[in-house]
Amino acid sequence: GAGVSQSPSNKVTEKGKDVELRCDPISGHTALYWYRQSLGQGLEFLIYFQGNSAPDKSGLPSDRFSAERTGGSVSTLTIQRTQQEDSAVYLCASSPRTSGGRGGELFFGEGSRLTVL
Amino acid sequence: AQKVTQAQTEISVVEKEDVTLDCVYETRDTTYYLFWYKQPPSGELVFLIRRNSFDEQNEISGRYSWNFQKSTSSFNFTITASQVVDSAVYFCALSEARTNAGKSTFGDGTTLTVKP
Repeated sequence: GAGVSQSPSNKVTEKGKDVELRCDPISGHTALYWYRQSLGQGLEFLIYFQGNSAPDKSGLPSDRFSAERTGGSVSTLTIQRTQQEDSAVYLCASSPRTSGGRGGELFFGEGSRLTVL
Repeated sequence: AQKVTQAQTEISVVEKEDVTLDCVYETRDTTYYLFWYKQPPSGELVFLIRRNSFDEQNEISGRYSWNFQKSTSSFNFTITASQVVDSAVYFCALSEARTNAGKSTFGDGTTLTVKP
């Protein structure tokens, strides 16, 4: 597709359930990012994938959060045993290049709004 | 550690007024990128500009202009002759350029409302 596609756009779940959020990046973009945006706040980096390199997981808030990227394209962010504080908009972004002093501009999807009751 | 401060939480102007959104950053890196993103009411963040730390030349794009001043660690964004369509949340962001330019630290955003 032309842009970054995320699904579901909205997800309401009960505390303690697991959720999966999906991201389909722009074709040809080698880098994929997950960010989290809580109400009225800025964006918080979660995880980064670049090609076949090991992902940068330094932003994941707890071990309940994990992500994978299959075939260098689609990514899934999984939150296990969800808590109310996990409620936020989860944004996926892709970028055509991220190192060597170039690039870094992020192309975002519309986000997945997660509400944990 | 990197930090981005957007001191203006909300700004309200009347159409055709000029408005400047402030951004102040902190970093120990000598090579870095600065960005501005726009998040309209529809929600999708849109990339506006990237600035390299070694390039302090100001940039103008239509009604938008950016003033990068390394001496004051600021990267301010001015909209000239604002329009209602400029109403959005604007985010300033900072990243380390050499290894992972997309791993950005974002400010909390400035909500701009342009009234007709």
